[in-house]
Amino acid sequence: QLQLQESGPGLVKPSETLSLTCTVSGASISSGSYYWGWIRQPPGKGLEWIGSIYYSGDTYYNPSLKSRVTISVDTSKNQFSLKLSSVTAADTAVYFCARRPIRGPARFDPWGQGTLVTVSS
Amino acid sequence: DMQMTQSPSSLSASVGDRVTITCRASQSISSDLNWYQQKPGKAPKLLIYAASSLQSGVPSRFSGSGSGTDFTLTISSLQPEDFATYYCQQSYSTPYTFGQGTKLEIK
Repeated sequence: QLQLQESGPGLVKPSETLSLTCTVSGASISSGSYYWGWIRQPPGKGLEWIGSIYYSGDTYYNPSLKSRVTISVDTSKNQFSLKLSSVTAADTAVYFCARRPIRGPARFDPWGQGTLVTVSS
Repeated sequence: DMQMTQSPSSLSASVGDRVTITCRASQSISSDLNWYQQKPGKAPKLLIYAASSLQSGVPSRFSGSGSGTDFTLTISSLQPEDFATYYCQQSYSTPYTFGQGTKLEIK
């Protein structure tokens, strides 16, 4: 059964870099059939797509965050990661990782359980 | 960016009711529209993709329709476990964008 699990610090200081990892179990990131992505949700608010990566390293990002975002993949560990630099309180959110197929409708399924990251000094 | 607008923002209904939630795109997105259900403290769950295709394992009381700019999610007979927040998401173009959500509450 495919599972995604986010991990990383729950507290980040303003102006620092947020770093999260998504570990995939039950399937190989290198299968080539999927993109792997990040989506976030500020407390009590809606969902925002951050970006996605293919196992080859090809990435595409939300232009609103592109200058601060890096998504990378480690196929040997079956993981992909998110780095968001120069964070502010506005980056406080639950961060989810999710899979989407490379062919057909671009839907996100499944999702990880999410991890809350708070930006505060 | 493609703007997605859901209505209503909140809705009160009773078990057994038929409920419809609407999602409107700021421009035509063909049938590239997905619906998710989110319960408090949980990740969103895919219900419907490509406007009307039911995700495997999702009860048949959920259905989706529409194309172009106007879409609907219908729950034919509300069950207690259906009280949650529902989001639409366009997959027509990046950046992928979501509606603001519709909170379905028990009357």
